[in-house]
Amino acid sequence: SQQGEEDPQALSIQEGENATMNCSYKTSINNLQWYRQNSGRGLVHLILIRSNEREKHSGRLRVTLDTSKKSSSLLITASRAADTASYFCATPRAMDSNYQLIWGAGTKLIIKP
Amino acid sequence: DTEVTQTPKHLVMGMTNKKSLKCEQHMGHRAMYWYKQKAKKPPELMFVYSYEKLSINESVPSRFSPECPNSSLLNLHLHALQPEDSALYLCASSQEPSSYEQYFGPGTRLTVT
Repeated sequence: SQQGEEDPQALSIQEGENATMNCSYKTSINNLQWYRQNSGRGLVHLILIRSNEREKHSGRLRVTLDTSKKSSSLLITASRAADTASYFCATPRAMDSNYQLIWGAGTKLIIKP
Repeated sequence: DTEVTQTPKHLVMGMTNKKSLKCEQHMGHRAMYWYKQKAKKPPELMFVYSYEKLSINESVPSRFSPECPNSSLLNLHLHALQPEDSALYLCASSQEPSSYEQYFGPGTRLTVT
């Protein structure tokens, strides 16, 4: 079952621009993860943010978490063609079941050269 | 070796066939997962193996039968599938069942005719 909602569903931007995608969830969480999936392939873990963190950076990625609004955002700066992919947020189904992830619907990002 | 491998990459099978999907990891991970993913949808958890024992079955039909012969291998046996079972089947692993980050294989694209 899906807990997360992501928006936008699709995003098309020019190379070099920044891309922002959002994720909302419904229950209390101890962490939130973002994954990337290139077309029809496996998912790659990008970044994890814990519930006591508000912002986290990894290279060109910046993730924020607002537990009061039950939402997170992923910002990709200076986008590249290779960033074209679908991006999913994921949260544990319950505090004691990290292995059972609830996935957002995903944002399809297209970077135009 | 930080890779999860899956074979075959593509599989076409009839509704009366029996086939198996194979997943392998050599990272010493003790939790392994099977997911099903339909086009433009997030992954859906099917099974979780923890220390080679089945710990989670997400009410998956019995025509899907998982097997964990050892700590590095995970199989998914398929029998009498339906066309609606056509999907991308993803294997993943994590260091422990309590670990957050999951490592995904590239998937097997299954078509049931």
